[in-house]
Amino acid sequence: EADIYQTPRYLVIGTGKKITLECSQTMGHDKMYWYQQDPGMELHLIHYSYGVNSTEKGDLSSESTVSRIRTEHFPLTLESARPSHTSQYLCASSEPAPGFGNTIYFGEGSWLTVV
Amino acid sequence: RKEVEQDPGPFNVPEGATVAFNCTYSNSASQSFFWYRQDCRKEPKLLMSVYSSGNEDGRFTAQLNRASQYISLLIRDSKLSDSATYLCVVNRAGSYQLTFGKGTKLSVIP
Repeated sequence: EADIYQTPRYLVIGTGKKITLECSQTMGHDKMYWYQQDPGMELHLIHYSYGVNSTEKGDLSSESTVSRIRTEHFPLTLESARPSHTSQYLCASSEPAPGFGNTIYFGEGSWLTVV
Repeated sequence: RKEVEQDPGPFNVPEGATVAFNCTYSNSASQSFFWYRQDCRKEPKLLMSVYSSGNEDGRFTAQLNRASQYISLLIRDSKLSDSATYLCVVNRAGSYQLTFGKGTKLSVIP
């Protein structure tokens, strides 16, 4: 089982508020990711990091930002939430699996609703 | 053409049936392959890696065909608890990024 934790699990917040979704992993993985997924739809990579002080934008454009000051911590921030940001946000980390590239592990997700 | 393509389904099968999913990938440099399972409103979880020679884990068999650039997942003796969305995941050689398919939804019916 993966040791990757996300908080809050569920958040309902008003338009214009600033929010930070927390993600921590205790596995010492260098690589971490944020995915966005609407119910019944595909996963979209919005941010990733290969290590401390390394962050990159993913395939799907997002108004969120991330930081990676410590290996175990990869928070995602929305400066001004909008209803269009309503979605599930999944944090993940990966380790190289010998001979099998990267095996990725997911947190339980943060469900964000902006009203 | 999408990098990873799956039949979205849904596949509705009776308990005890055998069901197979295919997934095609477009990048011949793809190196590693996985099947993940995602239950409704839950996070994806690793089901199995796909070995070049094919591999089996209980009722689940995964196969890789590099020449035709597809992987498959076979589920034998389907259980109600197998109902989920199955995601095909591909890792390109030299990249740490994984590409997820849209997933194939399976419903096992009593």
